[in-house]
Amino acid sequence: QSVLTQPPSVSGAPGQRVTISCTGSSSNIGAGYDVHWYQQLPGTAPKLLIYGNSNRPSGVPDRFSGSKSGTSASLAITGLQAEDEADYYCQSYDSSLSAHYVFGTGTKVTVL
Amino acid sequence: EVQLVESGGGLVQPGGSLRLSCAASGFTFSSYSMNWVRQAPGKGLEWVSYISSSSSTIYYADSVKGRFTISRDNAKNSLYLQMNSLRAEDTAVYYCARDPGSGWAYWYFDLWGRGTLVTVSS
Repeated sequence: QSVLTQPPSVSGAPGQRVTISCTGSSSNIGAGYDVHWYQQLPGTAPKLLIYGNSNRPSGVPDRFSGSKSGTSASLAITGLQAEDEADYYCQSYDSSLSAHYVFGTGTKVTVL
Repeated sequence: EVQLVESGGGLVQPGGSLRLSCAASGFTFSSYSMNWVRQAPGKGLEWVSYISSSSSTIYYADSVKGRFTISRDNAKNSLYLQMNSLRAEDTAVYYCARDPGSGWAYWYFDLWGRGTLVTVSS
């Protein structure tokens, strides 16, 4: 059961900007825990995209950016490209559960 | 090359057992906490279990507690997941994933394996 809520899908034309929201609660994002984002291309394993709310690992294009405010976080993709079509998951830590690592419900990004 | 390679998946009957392995290479395995994360067909990601670098701290998701056992062998650069009393709902791709924290968890995953499929069915 996912603790963090994301929209099931977002779409945009090539070159456009899309955003994905991730809504948590006072025991995870709202408690100050960092949010991280993963990209999962079709048929492949997840890959770390953003860590610590807004940091990009080496090799991740600067078209991807993350932010956090209150009990929510967002992932923005600017200059959308065909290869960005994938599933995206947010993830954080939850202090009220034994789960520790909690994921978002996942968002499918479609490039029109 | 820094990588994680899972193995051991397959078809097993309900109530059966399976042992997954994850071979690490290209980094100092003994310095990192490790995890298992699973993904049921067409579904999202679910964290399964965590083990600290020295095996001193272990956590499980409620859904597998009492049935799954995580372990590691730092001398062999390997992570394991012993799965007993398997249920249909355990059917998933199981990923080995590294937490970048050395000494304590950073609570995210910076390196993933390609996964191994476990199917529980009669």
